[in-house]
Amino acid sequence: DAGVTQSPTHLIKTRGQHVTLRCSPISGHKSVSWYQQVLGQGPQFIFQYYEKEERGRGNFPDRFSARQFPNYSSELNVNALLLGDSALYLCASSLASLGTDTQYFGPGTRLTVL
Amino acid sequence: SQQGEEDPQALSIQEGENATMNCSYKTSINNLQWYRQNSGRGLVHLILIRSNEREKHSGRLRVTLDTSKKSSSLLITASRAADTASYFCATDRTGANSKLTFGKGITLSVRP
Repeated sequence: DAGVTQSPTHLIKTRGQHVTLRCSPISGHKSVSWYQQVLGQGPQFIFQYYEKEERGRGNFPDRFSARQFPNYSSELNVNALLLGDSALYLCASSLASLGTDTQYFGPGTRLTVL
Repeated sequence: SQQGEEDPQALSIQEGENATMNCSYKTSINNLQWYRQNSGRGLVHLILIRSNEREKHSGRLRVTLDTSKKSSSLLITASRAADTASYFCATDRTGANSKLTFGKGITLSVRP
């Protein structure tokens, strides 16, 4: 079975632009979470979606938004990009609805903001 | 904010030796998980231990959890060069609603 997939792998944007990152969960998983990992740090939680509803939100500005589609894939959108948004963006899927269980991570999207 | 604090920040050992990594956290948890990451790639889940468990084993991995001290340890026995990676502990805090909180990670280098 395929694992969690993310696209694109790498992305270069300039300040003020908008970006959309995509994630496909493992088949049968209905929960998708997004994390931001800045170089040298651990991942920081951004959002969790389950059955197309937002179930958790981290401490990120409103420039960050996400949604989950009927096939359980998800998009993370970031508006008005800042240099500090440069990071590895990780998507994880799991079976659990509330609380956390084993999270299966994708390879990530490396975003560079110039 | 980071909930988990791993210790040490970096560890270098010889192949065949055991590696012990520690994690401390601040608030009560439902479970604690350890993940591994190779060279800035995606994280791989290693083991999950629930708050009512004290010890778990998986292959060469042994995890302990002491909720009274709010700490956990990950032991990798008979290390291999392929174990070289960053290791993170992550906590599912009670009442935190679907969120994992990661520490800053430990860089493990296993010398052949």
